[in-house]
Amino acid sequence: QVQLVESGGDVVQPGRSLRLSCAASRFTFSDYGMHWVRQAPGKGLEWVAIIWYDGSDEYYADFVKGRFTISRDNSKNTVYLQMNSLRVEDTAVYYCARGGQAGAFDIWGQGTMVTVSS
Amino acid sequence: QVVLTQSPSASASLGASVKLTCTLSSGHRNYAIAWHQQQPEKGPRFLMKLNSDGSHTKGDGIPDRFSGSSSGAERYLTISSLQSEDEGDYYCQTWGTGIWLFGGGTRLTVL
Repeated sequence: QVQLVESGGDVVQPGRSLRLSCAASRFTFSDYGMHWVRQAPGKGLEWVAIIWYDGSDEYYADFVKGRFTISRDNSKNTVYLQMNSLRVEDTAVYYCARGGQAGAFDIWGQGTMVTVSS
Repeated sequence: QVVLTQSPSASASLGASVKLTCTLSSGHRNYAIAWHQQQPEKGPRFLMKLNSDGSHTKGDGIPDRFSGSSSGAERYLTISSLQSEDEGDYYCQTWGTGIWLFGGGTRLTVL
């Protein structure tokens, strides 16, 4: 079935960088915008970033602007999230999600945990 | 800027029905939303996209027990014949120009 699989989560110190990956399968990846969404421990869902289906545009939540960069490689069916200058408050499970009907997220991955701690 | 408001918690008995509410902020009553379910210790799952006129499109494999409706700025998710696996968090989600956002979520307890 249609699937998204995230990887790259780790424990890192504040100020360091990390790159997350999300591999898509069983759908035409290049037809869809892709999002990253995060969930801090015990908290709700929080949208992080989107990249257009062809990589032509990106939008970010204010709290990651200038620190995080979303990108994609349609030849590898993969979307990435480069996270720089990480802060303790970036600690969360990071999910990738497919941008489906209009702006609804219609497929979710299982998530990857990022812990920022000294 | 659009804001989504959800009650923090709800409860209902096994086999009963429950109606969860998501309220759009003033001036945004025509927005469509999506409902997502998150069972304990799992990732979210897309339930449906719900339009302002109450029409909705469900995700693959979502049972008929889940339905959506709309009234003014309110968007509803009704779950009938509640089962134990329906327990979890339910989030509404919407979008605008360059922004996507979630409500705070409703934790549903099945008694």
